[in-house]
Amino acid sequence: DIQMTQSPSSLSASIGDRVTISCRTSQSISSHLNWYQQKAGKGPKLLIYAASSLQSGVPSRFSGSGSGTDFVLTISNVQPEDFAFYYCQQTYFIPITFGGGTRVEIK
Amino acid sequence: QLQLQESGPGLVKPSETLSLTCSVSGASISESSDSWAWIRQPPGNGLEWIGSVSYTGSGQNNPSLRGRVIVSANMSRNQVSLRLTSVTAADTALYFCARQVGREVVVGGSLLTTVWFDTWGQGTPVAVSS
Repeated sequence: DIQMTQSPSSLSASIGDRVTISCRTSQSISSHLNWYQQKAGKGPKLLIYAASSLQSGVPSRFSGSGSGTDFVLTISNVQPEDFAFYYCQQTYFIPITFGGGTRVEIK
Repeated sequence: QLQLQESGPGLVKPSETLSLTCSVSGASISESSDSWAWIRQPPGNGLEWIGSVSYTGSGQNNPSLRGRVIVSANMSRNQVSLRLTSVTAADTALYFCARQVGREVVVGGSLLTTVWFDTWGQGTPVAVSS
């Protein structure tokens, strides 16, 4: 299976901060990498697909970059509604796998 | 607007079969070229892909579940189902269904055909206990 390593596992940020979350894969997956946001008791919400494409309706303060084995999700100007869990996902290999998650908390 | 709603028994005894249903509204699964996936999340843990079924009825499952999984689509009811046999406490989780979209995307000037899960249900909790 493709191992997905997300870092950090948690972080604290203040409103207006710039936040970056890293996702590293154990093998190259080209740009077959997606990012999701999950809030307590809800299903995940797609933010970024194909490493850098912003899903319709998602605020432009969210952006994704990377290819191969190293990917980054950036939240510029963090807002109160952004405090949640974030997961990366690879869909290049079967089984589809997810990173362990990053919790973004209010400082 | 596409909506997915999972439903199930809530509690299942060890060694029994878990059956879950995902009701799809806002789209016809028989008229869509997309696939439909099941994902689970054990309490306090991350996400695990269980399996997917395409609009043709063909499926792919996570090998870690060792052949215990059947994901199927009922076109007439516009539902997607999950059957998981021989359950144990390790199968206790929140179970989600999601639409699995496959599209061509321009990335760095090149066309890439890739997959993502664009719509998820709220999830249904399953506990395995005697």
